[in-house]
Amino acid sequence: DQQVKQNSPSLSVQEGRISILNCDYTNSMFDYFLWYKKYPAEGPTFLISISSIKDKNEDGRFTVFLNKSAKHLSLHIVPSQPGDSAVYFCAASAGGNEKLTFGTGTRLTIIP
Amino acid sequence: KAGVTQTPRYLIKTRGQQVTLSCSPISGHRSVSWYQQTPGQGLQFLFEYFSETQRNKGNFPGRFSGRQFSNSRSEMNVSTLELGDSALYLCASSLGGTVSFTDTQYFGPGTRLTVL
Repeated sequence: DQQVKQNSPSLSVQEGRISILNCDYTNSMFDYFLWYKKYPAEGPTFLISISSIKDKNEDGRFTVFLNKSAKHLSLHIVPSQPGDSAVYFCAASAGGNEKLTFGTGTRLTIIP
Repeated sequence: KAGVTQTPRYLIKTRGQQVTLSCSPISGHRSVSWYQQTPGQGLQFLFEYFSETQRNKGNFPGRFSGRQFSNSRSEMNVSTLELGDSALYLCASSLGGTVSFTDTQYFGPGTRLTVL
């Protein structure tokens, strides 16, 4: 039972354009969402997060949008750079000491 | 500040053997979580330890176990290895174990386990 889904296993975007990565969830108890980025041979690194009390959080080139009614979140990267090529995981938690539930990841490739 | 370290980085075992993986968290972090990453499955939560106690557990069989020491270092053990246990095992540490804005999980590079 995949409670966090990333339906696009891969995505290719031209350098300088916008990258949009999507994530859907099924558990209505999730109230905290994160995006992690993973390079080969390295562990995931935290990118950006959002609480369910917000619908948008921005950090430099990265913006996360949350649509609670649709149980959908997205990560926008503008402008995309070659160094953004990596696997991106979204994760969710029901808050407090609850564990993180991860999606299966989307491999983003930025084309120079 | 040193990051999360995991040893060994690579491991090859045969079916039926057991294996122990080690994780040293960031200094001052008291929570350690373990994840299994396989192609197509993403990161699946194994368990979390906080102050030497298992606080959360995922849906893995009892062959997977762990422990945490007083210095917050953690070990994960897998007994009676199966081919399907081949995966990247990641550990992550955080300050107090509360999943919140102020308590980000920091991941180690992982241990790549291959079961033949």
